[in-house]
Amino acid sequence: EVQLLDSGGGLVQPGGSLRLSCAASGFTFSSYAMSWVRQAPGKGLEWVSGISGSGGSTYYADSVKGRFTISRDNSKNTVYLQMNSLRAEDTAVYYCAKAEYSSFFRSAFDIWGQGTMVTVSS
Amino acid sequence: QSVLTQPPSASGTPGQRVTISCSGSRSNIGNNYVYWYQQLPGTAPKLLIYRNNQRPSGVPDRFSGSKSGTSASLAISGLRSEDEADYYCAAWDDSLSGPIFGGGTKLTVL
Repeated sequence: EVQLLDSGGGLVQPGGSLRLSCAASGFTFSSYAMSWVRQAPGKGLEWVSGISGSGGSTYYADSVKGRFTISRDNSKNTVYLQMNSLRAEDTAVYYCAKAEYSSFFRSAFDIWGQGTMVTVSS
Repeated sequence: QSVLTQPPSASGTPGQRVTISCSGSRSNIGNNYVYWYQQLPGTAPKLLIYRNNQRPSGVPDRFSGSKSGTSASLAISGLRSEDEADYYCAAWDDSLSGPIFGGGTKLTVL
């Protein structure tokens, strides 16, 4: 069964850091790009970051550029999101999502993780 | 404010056909595929339609997608109570060089 398992969320103070993980199973992980998508409480979906299947190319929304870093370890079938300088507006459920292709561009998100909640508050 | 515009709500009775619209521009819907996602209450989003009108395996043919110019629509026929969910359209945006989502439409089955 194709599955994504998100973890690493929690409560963090403004300015703090957190690392999210997403463990994949049931497919050839290195053949597909991956992304993180977030959803603030009661709000819609917002794409955050993407990474190619090889890990050689990374992409970020302007709202997180310079603060968040996406990476992947294809030997562990896991994608990460390192979040630094966190702000209250980063509070959201974070979902990892599998792309249709190895390239990030113009691809649907065909499999989603269950999400992990990040709360930024003092 | 989302780049793709959806009505915030829609409703219908069981068995009815409802449509949800999604309006964009040339840089997104006009030049790229449209995707639709269904988010049932308390769950993660699920891909419902890809490449404008294609259904992933397991999605009932009651769900259909279409695109014309810079707008797209999701149609649900034979409405069921289990279709009550939030629906999001999405597309790649050439200007932003990234994927964008609509604000979402909450579908209520009366």
